[in-house]
Amino acid sequence: DAGVTQSPTHLIKTRGQHVTLRCSPISGHKSVSWYQQVLGQGPQFIFQYYEKEERGRGNFPDRFSARQFPNYSSELNVNALLLGDSALYLCASSEHVLTGEKLFFGSGTQLSVL
Amino acid sequence: AQSVAQPEDQVNVAEGNPLTVKCTYSVSGNPYLFWYVQYPNRGLQFLLKYITGDNLVKGSYGFEAEFNKSQTSFHLKKPSALVSDSALYFCAAGRVLTGGGNKLTFGTGTQLKVEL
Repeated sequence: DAGVTQSPTHLIKTRGQHVTLRCSPISGHKSVSWYQQVLGQGPQFIFQYYEKEERGRGNFPDRFSARQFPNYSSELNVNALLLGDSALYLCASSEHVLTGEKLFFGSGTQLSVL
Repeated sequence: AQSVAQPEDQVNVAEGNPLTVKCTYSVSGNPYLFWYVQYPNRGLQFLLKYITGDNLVKGSYGFEAEFNKSQTSFHLKKPSALVSDSALYFCAAGRVLTGGGNKLTFGTGTQLKVEL
């Protein structure tokens, strides 16, 4: 079975532009979470969706938004890009949103903002 | 707010020797603790978790972790290190969110280097 897939793998944008990152969860998984990993730091929680509803939002500005589709895939959108948005964006899926449930991570999208 | 600390940026160990990667946590309520490993250009892979029960948790690839409530620690251990264990290791604490979801708070990571 395929794991969590993310596209694109790499992306270069300039300040002020908009970007859309995509994620397909493992088949049968209904929850998708997004994390931002800046070089040298641990991943930071951005969003969690379950059954197309937002179940959690991290401490990120409103420039960050996400949605989940009926097939459980997800998009992360970032508007008005800043240099500080340069990071590895990780998507993770799980069957549900149970406490202690392990997450399965994709390989990430490396975003560079120039 | 909960937090996770990994006091060592890098740990070096010789192959065949035991290894320990340290983690301490600060959470309110019962802790849900995890270890993940990240190889270059890859996402994070789950190693093990502690929810409740036995303080010694066994995980993938021969790793184990010891939960110590009094010291608020959750150190990762392996009796005999392999060169292939060289990677970036993250400790994380889980938290239930008001919206019904849950999130992980990660430490800053510890680079493990196993040498021949």
